[in-house]
Amino acid sequence: DAGITQSPRHKVTETGTPVTLRCHQTENHRYMYWYRQDPGHGLRLIHYSYGVKDTDKGEVSDGYSVSRSKTEDFLLTLESATSSQTSVYFCASKPGGSPYEQYFGPGTRLTVT
Amino acid sequence: AQKITQTQPGMFVQEKEAVTLDCTYDTSDQSYGLFWYKQPSSGEMIFLIYQGSYDEQNATEGRYSLNFQKARKSANLVISASQLGDSAMYFCAMREGYDQGAQKLVFGQGTRLTINP
Repeated sequence: DAGITQSPRHKVTETGTPVTLRCHQTENHRYMYWYRQDPGHGLRLIHYSYGVKDTDKGEVSDGYSVSRSKTEDFLLTLESATSSQTSVYFCASKPGGSPYEQYFGPGTRLTVT
Repeated sequence: AQKITQTQPGMFVQEKEAVTLDCTYDTSDQSYGLFWYKQPSSGEMIFLIYQGSYDEQNATEGRYSLNFQKARKSANLVISASQLGDSAMYFCAMREGYDQGAQKLVFGQGTRLTINP
């Protein structure tokens, strides 16, 4: 399995506070992704990165920003958390050029009160 | 419009029976890929099987096979000889377009499979 870790694994925060989730991979994968998982919706893509400092929006990007300053790290920031952003967040990565699977991290459960 | 539809919210199957999980998709692209992932109660996402739109044969991986019917836009997952450990949530996903690199996946809502002893 690809070495992908997420931190923190659990977080409770208050509405209006900024939150940053970290994804770290040790496989030198070119592509990295952030998804959120909510009941009834499966996983939905928030943002993805196709290289250092190269990012693009996904299906549900409003309220989120990302940064990738190193190949191994992909940060997801909620500038001002809202209750609708309570979710489980998954990071994934994939080698460049491969048509095959993305490798997922263990997930971060975020609760915004 | 839903791009990936999984019409079975839950399925209950006896151990050792075969099970088919349905997935239909909607795309106008000629090049696309279809994936199945398993999510056990522990929460991690486990890749099971992949089918490319130009692949002539149905994909197989051990007890998993993908019944790909292009004209019907369906990509059903078949699990043969089900086991208790197969109890999990199963997601169908699609990559549209030729850009295999970026691979922006769209997921279905999932099917919760329960294997009864």
